[in-house]
Amino acid sequence: DAKTTQPTSMDCAEGRAANLPCNHSTISGNEYVYWYRQIHSQGPQYIIHGLKNNETNEMASLIITEDRKSSTLILPHATLRDTAVYYCIVRVEDTGNQFYFGTGTSLTVIP
Amino acid sequence: KAGVTQTPRYLIKTRGQQVTLSCSPISGHRSVSWYQQTPGQGLQFLFEYFSETQRNKGNFPGRFSGRQFSNSRSEMNVSTLELGDSALYLCASSFSGRPTDTQYFGPGTRLTVL
Repeated sequence: DAKTTQPTSMDCAEGRAANLPCNHSTISGNEYVYWYRQIHSQGPQYIIHGLKNNETNEMASLIITEDRKSSTLILPHATLRDTAVYYCIVRVEDTGNQFYFGTGTSLTVIP
Repeated sequence: KAGVTQTPRYLIKTRGQQVTLSCSPISGHRSVSWYQQTPGQGLQFLFEYFSETQRNKGNFPGRFSGRQFSNSRSEMNVSTLELGDSALYLCASSFSGRPTDTQYFGPGTRLTVL
């Protein structure tokens, strides 16, 4: 069972910031939030992960609310190559190393 | 550093046959996980291996099995193939498999069962 809830689909204009929300209201204190994306039929690509603090890398920023019940992935300047399915994942520590991927958000970047 | 590699990339089999898929993890990674992706069920966890031992298993029938070698390379086997086994099979590796370790995915093997 996926422990996250994401919108099914979103559109974003090219060059604008894409903000992808994720709800993980049952997250435990030591569970990390991971974001991956999958471009059609390729393997999922790691984007970013975090525990409590906001994180930023060359690809994106991750904003986690203070209560940790939700987070937002921000792609600062979306390009057409960012069109993909984005998965928000909470690491299920008590069941080992597996990821529950859920259905993800299909992001379409529009020219 | 080379990424996760999977062979073959594409495979066509018929019902009742068996198939073996191979995964080479990133150098130095000791944990290998396998996932099945289908349009109807999405990405589902199959099993994870660490130091040649299966450490965790998803909810799949016994026809799905795997193993890991001393060099961390892993294989998964599906016996008595069914039409519903047609899927993209993904392998992911991480250093130790702890929740703080990032998993890196390979390109997948597309299996078609006729």
